[in-house]
Amino acid sequence: GAGVSQTPSNKVTEKGKYVELRCDPISGHTALYWYRQSLGQGPEFLIYFQGTGAADDSGLPNDRFFAVRPEGSVSTLKIQRTERGDSAVYLCASSLTSAGTEAFFGQGTRLTVV
Amino acid sequence: AQKVTQAQTEISVVEKEDVTLDCVYETRDTTYYLFWYKQPPSGELVFLIRRNSFDEQNEISGRYSWNFQKSTSSFNFTITASQVVDSAVYFCALSEGSAGNMLTFGGGTRLMVKP
Repeated sequence: GAGVSQTPSNKVTEKGKYVELRCDPISGHTALYWYRQSLGQGPEFLIYFQGTGAADDSGLPNDRFFAVRPEGSVSTLKIQRTERGDSAVYLCASSLTSAGTEAFFGQGTRLTVV
Repeated sequence: AQKVTQAQTEISVVEKEDVTLDCVYETRDTTYYLFWYKQPPSGELVFLIRRNSFDEQNEISGRYSWNFQKSTSSFNFTITASQVVDSAVYFCALSEGSAGNMLTFGGGTRLMVKP
């Protein structure tokens, strides 16, 4: 596609449920990043993939959060046992390489946990 | 640890005024990159500029200009002759060394340009 695509654009779930958020990066981009943006704040880094492997997952807040990128393209962010504090916009970005090239962001998935 | 501070949470100007958005950063690395992104109401972050720590030359792109000063750890952004379409939240960000696009963002500055 022309840009980074994230689905769904909005997700409302009940506390305690499991959710999956999907990111389709720009074709050919090897690096993929997940960020979380709470209302009125700047995005916070969660995890970075180079190809299929998670090169840095230091931003994941706890073990309820997990992400995969099995074929080096599409990535899924998985959240188990959701809590109200997980409500935020989850942003995905991709770049051609891991450094020296700009990152392009998707429009995000707004997750609301009720 | 790195940190980015945007002290101005909200700025309101009238169209055609010049406006400067401040950004102060902290890092222990000697090699790092600084960025500015624009986030319009649609929510998508739009890349504006990347500057590495070894290049202190100021940059101008149309109505946009950036002033990088290592001595004060600042990377300020000026919009000349602002327009209503410039209304958005602007984020300054930092990445260290070989961290690429693993960015530490500031809290953002909401710019409102009134006609």
